[in-house]
Formats: sequence, structure tokens, C-alpha cells
Amino acid sequence: QVQLQESGPGLVKPSETLSLTCNVSGGSVGSYYWSWIRQPPGKGLEWIGYIYYNGRTDSNPSLKSRATISIDTSKNQFSLILKSVTAADTAVYYCVRDRTGDGPFDYWGQGTLVTVSS
Amino acid sequence: VIWMTQSPSLVSASTGDRVTITCRVSQDISSYLAWYRQKPGRAPDLLIKAASTLQSGVPSRFSGSRSGTDFTLIISSLQSEDFATYYCQQYHSFPPTFGQGTKVEIK
Repeated sequence: QVQLQESGPGLVKPSETLSLTCNVSGGSVGSYYWSWIRQPPGKGLEWIGYIYYNGRTDSNPSLKSRATISIDTSKNQFSLILKSVTAADTAVYYCVRDRTGDGPFDYWGQGTLVTVSS
Repeated sequence: VIWMTQSPSLVSASTGDRVTITCRVSQDISSYLAWYRQKPGRAPDLLIKAASTLQSGVPSRFSGSRSGTDFTLIISSLQSEDFATYYCQQYHSFPPTFGQGTKVEIK
């Protein structure tokens, strides 16, 4: 059974960089797509971007190139960097798995809340 | 960007009730639609993919269908664990997008 676990700071200052890592256990990151999805408190879901095990990546144009996703196959983990954050980036961030890069998303981490505040 | 509109936004129902949730999509996505259930404080769970295919391990009280750009999720007999928020998601066009959610609450 594949398990995903997010980790990273829960508080980030405005204009600084948000950095999260997702550790994958119970399976290899090979041959799958790995995405980040976020959910502001009390709101809906927004897809941030994906990375394939070979390094191919793409992100949601709504984020205006602020998001970068990377992968470390030797550690079986992948990461998200979101630059120049504002309060609007406050959300629960989920790491997820799928087979095509855009869904359906069949395995989810438990999520980690990141608050942007000074 | 493909827009997803779910209705209703809120459903009040009792255990054993039949519940129907609709997702209307702004353009043709064929059957590239998934449904998720999100229990309070938890990550979403995949229920249905390809509009009507039940994900492995999901109870048969859940079903999905498509009519053009309208998609429907039916819960045939609501159980206690089904009081949650439901989201549709399209994976036909980039970027993937979600509906705004439908909350199913206890009547």
C-alpha cells in the first residue's frame, strides 16, 4: 500500500518561499506522476503541478511560474517550492499520485497546513 | 480552463436516503471525470473515475453517469461515513480542475 507523507514548515512569512517535501513509502516513485494539490481553509481544491519520475514537470498557469516541483528518485521523494507567497497561499497542501499527471488522483497524503503570516 | 459547476452546494439528508449530485462542465470532456469524497479533516478519497468506473474498494452504493457535459454521482443509500463533501474533477484538459464541492449534511 503506497503511503505519502508531507513535511515542511507550517508557517511562512509573506514574500518568502514555501518549501514542502513528500516522502513516498510502500512503492517506488518510478512510472507514476506525482502532484501537489492545495485547499485553502474552508474552500475547494486547486491543482498546483506535477512531476514525472523522469523529471518532466508542469504547473498550473494560475500560479504564474511561482511553483517548482522536483524529484529525488534515490530518496523516493518529491518536493514543492512556491516563491513570493502571500496570505492567499495559506492552505492545506496535499501530495498525490496518479498515472497521467492530471488525474484521477488515487493516493493522497494526509495534508499539511501552511500558513502565510508575518 | 474548463469550469466545473456542482449542484446543489448543500444537501441535507438522512441515513438511508438516496442522494444525487450533479457536475456540469463548461465544454466536452468525454468521460474524463472523477468523483471524490472528503470527510472532515481528511484528504479526499477517489470514488469514481472515467465518469462511471468505481475505484477498487469503493462500496457499490456509489455510482456515476454521464449525459453530454452533465455528470451525476448517486449514493443509493446514505451511510454515516458519507456525510462529507464531494468534488468532481476533470482530467481531459490542462490544467485539471475541480468543482466547488457539494456538502452532504445530516438532516
